[in-house]
Amino acid sequence: QVTLKESGPALVKPTQTLTLTCTFSGFSLSTSGMRVSWIRQPPGKALEWLAHIDWDDDKFYNTSLKTRLTISKDTSKNQVVLTMTNMDPVDTATYYCARHKTAADLNWFDPWGQGTLVTVSS
Amino acid sequence: DIQMTQSPSSLSASVGDRVTITCRASQTISSYLNWYQQKPGKAPKLLIYAASSLQSGVPSRFSGSGSGTDFTLTISSLQPEDFATYYCQQSYSPPLFTFGPGTNVDIK
Repeated sequence: QVTLKESGPALVKPTQTLTLTCTFSGFSLSTSGMRVSWIRQPPGKALEWLAHIDWDDDKFYNTSLKTRLTISKDTSKNQVVLTMTNMDPVDTATYYCARHKTAADLNWFDPWGQGTLVTVSS
Repeated sequence: DIQMTQSPSSLSASVGDRVTITCRASQTISSYLNWYQQKPGKAPKLLIYAASSLQSGVPSRFSGSGSGTDFTLTISSLQPEDFATYYCQQSYSPPLFTFGPGTNVDIK
C-alpha cells in the first residue's frame, strides 16, 4: 500500500522560508521511473503543481515559482523536502505531495497525501 | 502555457442522474488528460488517466472520453458519494502540469 504524508509548520510569517517534508511508504524513490510531486491548493481555489523530483535526482519546477522553490530527496528516509522562500500571504494553501506516475509520456498523480495547511500571516 | 477550462463551474443533480462535465484545453493535448475527484477537506483522488483509462478501484459508472482539446467526464448514474468537486489536469507539456478550475457537483 502506497501512502504519503506531509509535515511542516502550520503558520509562517511573511518573508520567511517554508520547509515541508513528504514522508512516504510503499515505494522507493530509487526505483527507475519513480517521481514525487508537490501540489498546492489555496482555500476554495484550484490546484497548482509546484515541483517534482525524479528517481535519478532530476528536478523540475513550476516556471512561475522556480526562483523560490527547491526540492530534494533523502532516499534512505523515504522523504522528499520542498522549500519555498520569501513566503507571502498569497501562498496560504494546503500543500500536498503525491506519487507522480509516468507511462509512455503520460503523467498522473496517485495517490496523494492528506495535505497540510500552511497559513502565511504576521 | 496550456490553460484548462471546465464547464459548468457547478451543477446540481439528483441521485441516479447522468452527469457530464466538460474540460477544454487551450491547445491540443492529444489524450494527455486526467480527472480527479475531491471531497471537502480531503485530498484529490485519481479517477481517469490518459483521457479514458479508469483507475483501478474506481467504479465503472465513471468514464472519460475525448482527445485533442475537448474532453468529458461522465457519471452514468450519480450516487450519494459522488457529490464532490472534479478537476481535469493536462500532462501534455511537462514539466508544467496544469489543472482546470474545477466543477462542483452538489445535491439538487
